[in-house]
Amino acid sequence: KNEVEQSPQNLTAQEGEFITINCSYSVGISALHWLQQHPGGGIVSLFMLSSGKKKHGRLIATINIQEKHSSLHITASHPRDSAVYICAARSPDSNYQLIWGAGTKLIIKP
Amino acid sequence: DGGITQSPKYLFRKEGQNVTLSCEQNLNHDAMYWYRQDPGQGLRLIYYSQIVNDFQKGDIAEGYSVSREKKESFPLTVTSAQKNPTAFYLCASSTGISGNQPQHFGDGTRLSIL
Repeated sequence: KNEVEQSPQNLTAQEGEFITINCSYSVGISALHWLQQHPGGGIVSLFMLSSGKKKHGRLIATINIQEKHSSLHITASHPRDSAVYICAARSPDSNYQLIWGAGTKLIIKP
Repeated sequence: DGGITQSPKYLFRKEGQNVTLSCEQNLNHDAMYWYRQDPGQGLRLIYYSQIVNDFQKGDIAEGYSVSREKKESFPLTVTSAQKNPTAFYLCASSTGISGNQPQHFGDGTRLSIL
């Protein structure tokens, strides 16, 4: 069983829909990262959080430490949001290295 | 603008050949990382370096080598001992490895076997 699991693996939605991507982890963490990988391969860090909720534009990330679960939400989705979204857990048990989820491939259709 | 530059974007290797992937950063970051990405899998750590002249093996270091002679540069050599080198390779950097600093990524190098 992977220490960081994402769901769904693939998600296709219509423009304007509210999107939720989930991340569950089984290790103790000091922080949880959400990243976006563009079709060309480059990766951009979106959020880093250890508690509560963070918002940036149409993106919202939440984390529930007790339930070991985080979600990434996209409001008013747009085709340019199409990308792979990756969560990664930073664990002191692994010398603070990131433990990576396999990613969620999101396609937003116009 | 500060960032991480990986080159080349695409690289082809013949059987039995070593190849070196370049990674340069001008962010003044102490820590640098190399990851391998295969389809449908999470990133896997090959090597990381916390400081100049120091580096540590990650989860899949066999068949790879690195050097960190300058703060800005962390080249990765894929040796002929790596039997399945076809993958997407990503370099990253951060201000440190402990704590909660985000990692900044390059655009990656796609390596294929001829």
